[in-house]
Amino acid sequence: LAKTTQPISMDSYEGQEVNITCSHNNIATNDYITWYQQFPSQGPRFIIQGYKTKVTNEVASLFIPADRKSSTLSLPRVSLSDTAVYYCLVGDGASGGSYIPTFGRGTSLIVHP
Amino acid sequence: DAGVTQSPTHLIKTRGQQVTLRCSPKSGHDTVSWYQQALGQGPQFIFQYYEEEERQRGNFPDRFSGHQFPNYSSELNVNALLLGDSALYLCASSLASGPLAGFTYEQYFGPGTRLTVT
Repeated sequence: LAKTTQPISMDSYEGQEVNITCSHNNIATNDYITWYQQFPSQGPRFIIQGYKTKVTNEVASLFIPADRKSSTLSLPRVSLSDTAVYYCLVGDGASGGSYIPTFGRGTSLIVHP
Repeated sequence: DAGVTQSPTHLIKTRGQQVTLRCSPKSGHDTVSWYQQALGQGPQFIFQYYEEEERQRGNFPDRFSGHQFPNYSSELNVNALLLGDSALYLCASSLASGPLAGFTYEQYFGPGTRLTVT
């Protein structure tokens, strides 16, 4: 099974850049890496997805090294509204082409004024 | 453009009862997945429906069953409720993916149904 490991919690301040790293040593060849954001009592919200190297959109960047055994979500200039739980998601590497999306335990990011 | 909708918002049931939760996917999406999220935990994958069939299933007992209708909406049924079934149940929709697509998996989640079993 592909297992993800993330820090349980992180603290930052408004205006800073935040980098959250996820380890996924058993990632399968066909797996993409996807990050979600979740606020209390809401469903997760898609942030960014990538396969290798670097991906950037209007809210975040995703850095993936060549071996793909980890990934780093980068949030530029965070604000108080970025306080949330962030999940790294990869497949479980099951054989036969099946794909079981497996959320990690998530990283609770708290942004302070 | 309506996103993913779920009903009801909250539900209280007694142990042993049965419950049905409903989900309408985002417009244009054909795949629906269901997740269970216990307090303080990440979402756990229950199953996924595509073309009205269960395509993938997580580690959940047969008490959890589902259905997808021709309009892509879906239901989650849970029989013989246990206290441990109390959780936030999330529905997520996406476009079909598979081996040739490289397992891209951008999902759109609904607000969830909070189920309390007493």
